Amino acid sequence: DVVMTQTPVSLSVSLGGQVSISCRSSQSLVHNNGNTYLSWYLQKPGQSPQLLIYKVSNRFSGISDRFSGSGSGTDFTLKISRVEPDDLGVYYCGQGTQYPRTFGGGTKLELK
Amino acid sequence: EVQLVESGEGLVQPGSSMKLSCVASGFTFSNYGMNWIRQAPKKGLEWIALIYYDSSSKYYADSVKGRFTISRDNSKNTLYLEMNSLRSEDTAMYYCAKGGTFDYWGQGVMVTVSS
Repeated sequence: DVVMTQTPVSLSVSLGGQVSISCRSSQSLVHNNGNTYLSWYLQKPGQSPQLLIYKVSNRFSGISDRFSGSGSGTDFTLKISRVEPDDLGVYYCGQGTQYPRTFGGGTKLELK
Repeated sequence: EVQLVESGEGLVQPGSSMKLSCVASGFTFSNYGMNWIRQAPKKGLEWIALIYYDSSSKYYADSVKGRFTISRDNSKNTLYLEMNSLRSEDTAMYYCAKGGTFDYWGQGVMVTVSS
């Protein structure tokens, strides 16, 4: 199975600040078709997860451009700029290249 | 508006069975693969099963293979998860999620396995 490792486990940020979350996979996430199926999700307190970014860097419908994804192969990053109160929660990366689908352990974003 | 509504929540004893449902609306259900993903209390996300749009292929996590069965009825826009031989470690919130990128999630249903 592809192991997804997220760092840090938790992050404190001031409103308006910028943060980065790292996600590393134990194997390359480049699919045979050339696409890289790495997504980012946010689970706000008491809510279901929601998709933010898919295929490394594509923002999902309605997602602010304050969220950006980058990376390749086994090393990926989610950046959040101008952090707002509604951005707080747990962020997960997930891979869709191999079965079983797997997720990182999560990064909790809190207010400083 | 895409909506996924799970049902079937409950408390069951170890070794028993349970069936979850997920009714979809707001998109052409028969065009998309569908997933079940669970989250144990205070834990992270665990993908457990996927079914292709036409039921031609199904994939499972090792943790549920042989005990859980994913199925769908495209005429009813409904996804199912039949769970047998339930264990305490199956206690979790169960979500259905649309497509290969899990672009929409249901609100989840809680399954508690305890004696």
